[in-house]
This record gives sequence, C-alpha cells and structure tokens, in this order.
Amino acid sequence: QVQLVQSGSELKKPGASVKVSCKASGYMFTNYAMNWVRQAPGQGLEWMGWINTNTGNPTYAQGFTGRFVLSLDTSVSTAYLQISSLKAEDTAVYYCVRHTAVAGSGWFDSWGQGTLVTVSS
Amino acid sequence: DIVMTQSPESLAVSLGERATINCKSSQSVFYISNSKNYLAWYQQKPGQPPKLLIYWASTRESGVPDRFSGSGSGTDFTLTISSLQAEDVAVYYCQQYYSTPWTFGQGTKVEIK
Repeated sequence: QVQLVQSGSELKKPGASVKVSCKASGYMFTNYAMNWVRQAPGQGLEWMGWINTNTGNPTYAQGFTGRFVLSLDTSVSTAYLQISSLKAEDTAVYYCVRHTAVAGSGWFDSWGQGTLVTVSS
Repeated sequence: DIVMTQSPESLAVSLGERATINCKSSQSVFYISNSKNYLAWYQQKPGQPPKLLIYWASTRESGVPDRFSGSGSGTDFTLTISSLQAEDVAVYYCQQYYSTPWTFGQGTKVEIK
C-alpha cells in the first residue's frame, strides 16, 4: 500500500536550517508529484508547493520562495523540504502529500504522518 | 488565487443526525472541457494527518463510508454526513485543485452535541 514516511520532529534555533525527508513506498515514485503542506499550531492547512518527480522541477506558493527548497532523490524514492534561516513563525507541522498526477491538477490522496518543526531559542 | 470559504466554523450535531458543511469558492472550479468540479474534501482527526474523503466534488474515495457525500457545482459545495457517528468528530477541509496555488478552506470543526 502507499506509504509516505517522514523524518522525526526537529527542534531548531532561529537562524538555523532544517531538512525534512519523506520516503515513499508502495507505488512508482516518479508517476506522482509530491506536495508539501504546512499546518501551524491550531491552524488550518497551507499549500507550500510541489515538485514534479519526473523532472525535479519545483513550484512554490507565494510566501514560500527564497528560504524553502524542495528536492528529490529518486534513487531512494525520497522527497525533501529544506528551510533555511528559520524563524519562530516557521514552527508548524509539515506534511508531504502525494498528488494524483505527475504534473497539473490532482487531489491529495496520501499524506505523510507529519513532521513537527519547532523553532525556539 | 481562489479563496475557499467554509461555513460554519464549527457545528455540534447529535449522534445519528445529519451534519452539513458548506464550501464556497471565489471563482468557479468547474472545468467545462471535462464537466468536472475540481474540489476535494478532507477529514482531519486530532493528532492525525488529513485523510481524503471526496474528490471531483462528489466521488467518494475507496473505503470512505457512504454516510459521507459531496454535492454542488461551480462555486458552491456541500459535504454531508448523513448520520453522525462518534468517530466522525474531526475538522473537515475543502480544497480546490482547479488552479495553483491549490487552496484550502479554513476548516469546519464537527463535534457531538
């Protein structure tokens, strides 16, 4: 069955960087795009961007450019989210989410378990 | 960007009663070329990731109980739980996948009265 397994919780100081991984299994990794969604404490869902797993081309939502980088390692069916120059307001749960197409429109049919990133001095 | 607005923000329903959640998009998410509404619904229970319930506005995901149904077209959509069960306590989100950025409603919290 489809599984997305994310790396564990992180506690970082302001200004540091973090890299969250998302390992996919149970399907052909390059047949489906991977999205990332942020959920701040007690808040709703915010789409951050997605990456075409065929071409490696990322697309970022407004507000998630510059400090946020989406990448892949297709040899191990893993997607990554790296956030640099962390701020307190980056504290959130980050989800990787499979998209029902490699590119273009599609719904989100499988979600990782989420990775809590806490930014605190 | 397409803004998704859900109502109500929360509702309390007795066990076995109907729960209705509304979702309105700031522009149509209906694609004329394939006659489909690019609208999905998700359920998020406390401490869990969201789970897909419905896509194309009214198609239930495999394994989702048939007490969950979606309806609507264009800009106005509804998620109905026909007979609320205790395990349905959750926050429900609508999402449009018509155009990027994909956007979610703010969520509707469903509780037991």
